[in-house]
Amino acid sequence: QKEVEQDPGPLSVPEGAIVSLNCTYSNSAFQYFMWYRQYSRKGPELLMYTYSSGNKEDGRFTAQVDKSSKYISLFIRDSQPSDSATYLCASNTGKLIFGQGTTLQVKP
Amino acid sequence: NAGVTQTPKFQVLKTGQSMTLQCAQDMNHNSMYWYRQDPGMGLRLIYYSASEGTTDKGEVPNGYNVSRLNKREFSLRLESAAPSQTSVYFCASSEGGSNYGYTFGSGTRLTVV
Repeated sequence: QKEVEQDPGPLSVPEGAIVSLNCTYSNSAFQYFMWYRQYSRKGPELLMYTYSSGNKEDGRFTAQVDKSSKYISLFIRDSQPSDSATYLCASNTGKLIFGQGTTLQVKP
Repeated sequence: NAGVTQTPKFQVLKTGQSMTLQCAQDMNHNSMYWYRQDPGMGLRLIYYSASEGTTDKGEVPNGYNVSRLNKREFSLRLESAAPSQTSVYFCASSEGGSNYGYTFGSGTRLTVV
């Protein structure tokens, strides 16, 4: 079992929809969580970063961590075609441990 | 500001050939990493260097070697390439520690035939 698990999708939504991307992790000692966005044929880029439990908001993006259930979520409001990418959750333990990534397509 | 630069961008090798993937960062980061990305597997850590002069194995180190040449440069070597090493390879760097994100290069697409 991977330490960080993510449903690979693909996920297809209409423009303007609210998108929910989710991961689970196995190690209760994990405290630092990140979301990366990766466009096709590009390297991943850091999108959001959270520490421990709670929410963090940045524009249309909200990252949420529930340590009691070992659950990580990324919400995208008013999704746009430019949000079409692969989204990778990760925990930073001194080394980044990634989930498999979820491919999102936002259709105009 | 170049960030993390990887060379080459594409490479085709024959089974048994060797090659070195180069990576350089200009952000004065302490730590550098090599990942491979395969469909359905996400990014898996091959080797990392927490600081200049140190290297450690990651999740999938077999068939690879690394060299931290100086603070800027971290190379990955395939001594005898195998078809199972066909993948996209990413180099990354960070300040180090759990509360820092990584900056990734644009990747090297390697095909071993």
